[in-house]
Amino acid sequence: EIVMTQSPATLSVSPGARATLSCRASQSVSSNLAWYQQKPGQAPRLLIYGASTRATGVPVRFSGSGSGTEFTFTISSLQSEDFAIYYCQQSHNWPYTFGQGTKLDIK
Amino acid sequence: QVQLQESGPGLVKPSGTLSLTCAVSGGSITNSKWWSWVRQPPGQGLEWIGEIYHSGNTNYNPSLKSRVSISVDKSKNQFSLKLSSVTAADTALYYCTRKNYELQYLGGVYWFDPWGQGTRVIVSS
Repeated sequence: EIVMTQSPATLSVSPGARATLSCRASQSVSSNLAWYQQKPGQAPRLLIYGASTRATGVPVRFSGSGSGTEFTFTISSLQSEDFAIYYCQQSHNWPYTFGQGTKLDIK
Repeated sequence: QVQLQESGPGLVKPSGTLSLTCAVSGGSITNSKWWSWVRQPPGQGLEWIGEIYHSGNTNYNPSLKSRVSISVDKSKNQFSLKLSSVTAADTALYYCTRKNYELQYLGGVYWFDPWGQGTRVIVSS
């Protein structure tokens, strides 16, 4: 099983600032990496797939990069609605696995 | 667009079988896609349970494989999850979702979208 490790567990950032989240895979997942946003009481929402492709309707302030085992997710200028938990997920090998999540807090 | 809706009992007794259904609307379940179940224990992260193709082919998470079964009903445009011998550790929010595919420069990539709203299942006597 590929283990996905996200860091940090919690990130406190001020509105308008830049947030950078990391995700590391225990073995290469090529570019088979997606990022999801989850708010309390809601289902996960797809933001990024293929490591760097924004999903339909996702604002340009969200971006992803990386391949292999190291991935980065960036929000260029945090809006109030962006404070949530973010998960990375690999679909390179079964079983598909998620990171433990990074909680983005208001500073 | 495609929408997913989970349904099923919210309370299951220990050692019993959890049974959930995901109704697909706005598109056909036979539309060359894989359909998955994902769960989220209270306050925890996401765990992929397994997936099914409309032909009936399945893939399961080895951690649950001995207890899980996913089936498809093309006539009703829905797919179902059964998890047997449940314990309190199976208490979770259960989501159904669709796996999508795209061929990119480095190869094929997959992702989950859309997701159902989730259904809460509590295992308790």
